[in-house]
Amino acid sequence: DAEITQSPRHKITETGRQVTLACHQTWNHNNMFWYRQDLGHGLRLIHYSYGVQDTNKGEVSDGYSVSRSNTEDLPLTLESAASSQTSVYFCASSSQDGEAGDEQFFGPGTRLTVL
Amino acid sequence: AQSVTQLGSHVSVSEGALVLLRCNYSSSVPPYLFWYVQYPNQGLQLLLKYTTGATLVKGINGFEAEFKKSETSFHLTKPSAHMSDAAEYFCAVSSTGNQFYFGTGTSLTVIP
Repeated sequence: DAEITQSPRHKITETGRQVTLACHQTWNHNNMFWYRQDLGHGLRLIHYSYGVQDTNKGEVSDGYSVSRSNTEDLPLTLESAASSQTSVYFCASSSQDGEAGDEQFFGPGTRLTVL
Repeated sequence: AQSVTQLGSHVSVSEGALVLLRCNYSSSVPPYLFWYVQYPNQGLQLLLKYTTGATLVKGINGFEAEFKKSETSFHLTKPSAHMSDAAEYFCAVSSTGNQFYFGTGTSLTVIP
C-alpha cells in the first residue's frame, strides 16, 4: 500500500544545531507540504512543493528550508534550531492533479524538542 | 483569503449523545471544505470533504457535515457518540493550488 513516512519520529536537539526531518511518500504525488502543529494554532504551513525543483514558502517559513530533488522526498531543514521551533511537524502530500478539492494525506508526525 | 474558525476548543459529550463540532469559514472563492480527525500520537485522517454537489456530506465512522453557504458553515455531526470518537478534530478549507488552511482544532471528550 502507498504511504507517507516521516523520520525520525522523535528528535531532541540543542539550540543552534542544524536539523533535517525526512518525509517520504510512495503515492507518486506531485504536491508535498510541511506543517507544524502547536497548541492553540492548529496546523500552520511551513513550505510546500508542486513538483521536482519547485519549492514555496508558507505562512511560517522563517528558519526553515526545503529541497525537492525527486518526487518521493521533501526533507525539511532547520538551519539553526531555536526553542521556538519545538513543535510537532507533519508532512502531507496530495495528488498530481493538484485540484483544490484533493485530499491531503498525512504522515505520522515528528516531535521535535529544541533545548 | 481563506480562513477557518472552530468554535469551542474542547467539547464533551456523553456516550450515545449527539456530537456537534462547529466550523465557520471565510473564502473569497467557492470553498472546498474538509474535516480531519487526529487520534493521539498519530497523523491526520480524512473524515469527509465537500467539493461540489450535495451539501450534506457523509464520511467515515458515522460522521456527516452540511455545507451552508448562507451561514458560511460546515458543522460536523454524529447522532450517537462512541468512546472511540474521542480525538482532535480539524476543519480545513482548501484554496487554489491545494493549499489548506486549518482551524485551531476541537478536542472531543466522550464521557462514559
